[in-house]
Parts: sequence; C-alpha cells; structure tokens
Amino acid sequence: DAKTTQPNSMESNEEEPVHLPCNHSTISGTDYIHWYRQLPSQGPEYVIHGLTSNVNNRMASLAIAEDRKSSTLILHRATLRDAAVYYCILREGANNLFFGTGTRLTVIP
Amino acid sequence: EAGVAQSPRYKIIEKRQSVAFWCNPISGHATLYWYQQILGQGPKLLIQFQNNGVVDDSQLPKDRFSAERLKGVDSTLKIQPAKLEDSAVYLCASSWSITGELFFGEGSRLTVL
Repeated sequence: DAKTTQPNSMESNEEEPVHLPCNHSTISGTDYIHWYRQLPSQGPEYVIHGLTSNVNNRMASLAIAEDRKSSTLILHRATLRDAAVYYCILREGANNLFFGTGTRLTVIP
Repeated sequence: EAGVAQSPRYKIIEKRQSVAFWCNPISGHATLYWYQQILGQGPKLLIQFQNNGVVDDSQLPKDRFSAERLKGVDSTLKIQPAKLEDSAVYLCASSWSITGELFFGEGSRLTVL
C-alpha cells in the first residue's frame, strides 16, 4: 500500500485558514487521495477526495500538486468543531482504506 | 438519514471471556467494514463484507475473532477468548459500493482486564 506522511500535530487560531500537508511520493497513477477526520470519541468521517485536479466541497478544499507527490487539505476558516485527527489516505479503486496516525489539529480560541 | 448504529458503546470483560458487537449499517449500503482502533493509532481493517460475502478478512485474527453478515444487512463481530491486547474501539463502517466513501458508526469501546 502506498504510504503517506503527515505531521503529527498542528495548531491553528480560530477563524483562520488551516493548511494540512500530506506527502505521498510513491503514489501510483490510479491512487485517489482521500481525507477523513476523526473528532474526539467519534468514528472517522469523510472529508474530501481527488485524483489530479483540485477539489472543493462544503467542508474543505483539496489542493493536489502537479506531480501528485503531495497534497494539502485546506480548511478555509477553522472553528473549534474542526479540532480532530485528520487522515490522508491513498486508495486505488476498491482497495481498502489504510489509516496512518494522521495529524492532530488543535484549534485555539 | 439514520447513521451506522453500533452496540454496545462500552464493554468491560475479563481476559478469556467472550464478547460480541453488533452493527446496523445505513439502509441500502452493500459494503460493510469492521475496523479495530487501538488508543493512539489509526483504525485498522479487520474484515470487509460485500452484501453477505467476505471480500477481505486477511487482517482478522481468525483463531479468536469471527464476523458474520448473514442476511447482507446487519453484522456481528465476536471475540472469543479475549486477550488484554484486544482492548480497543471497534468501528463499523458502511458504504453504498465497494469504492464509495465510508460512513462510520461511533464505535464500541472494549476494555479487557
């Protein structure tokens, strides 16, 4: 399974944008980049995914590097409810999601 | 729309005892997953079902863990006998299809003493 590398933790001030990086230098051409997040005492929830082009949805934006070896999850305006562990995962087709340890985001009021 | 339901939320047992967890996926979701999440780690897949058939159980410790999804809807995960290292949160997830996004339940927290 292709690996991803994320910082263990990050901090952000409330109402400011947050850029969560992910490196995936061994990504294959058919791997999709998925992001899930896990709020305290809850199961993970889907955030966004993409293949090559940048993607936007109501929760976040995903910026994918041209060579696809890295990506960035962008939360446009962090709130206290965004404090969670964010997982960057590579997934090829129907292959299972393999979670790493993710990035723990702390939002400071 | 109702989410993925799991029970019980919490269970404490002695080692060598048995335990069972139940999961009811979102209505219409054909794919069901069981994950194990040990404190401080990301979730690890135990087993994946497509309808009532097993797609992947390569990470399931089959000497003590078993899972079934008899009618292709709800599922049960059993551990017998439990070991101390089985202390974890057991997460159930479902998706519309084998490639779709996963929807997780809140999990069942197991403590083995």
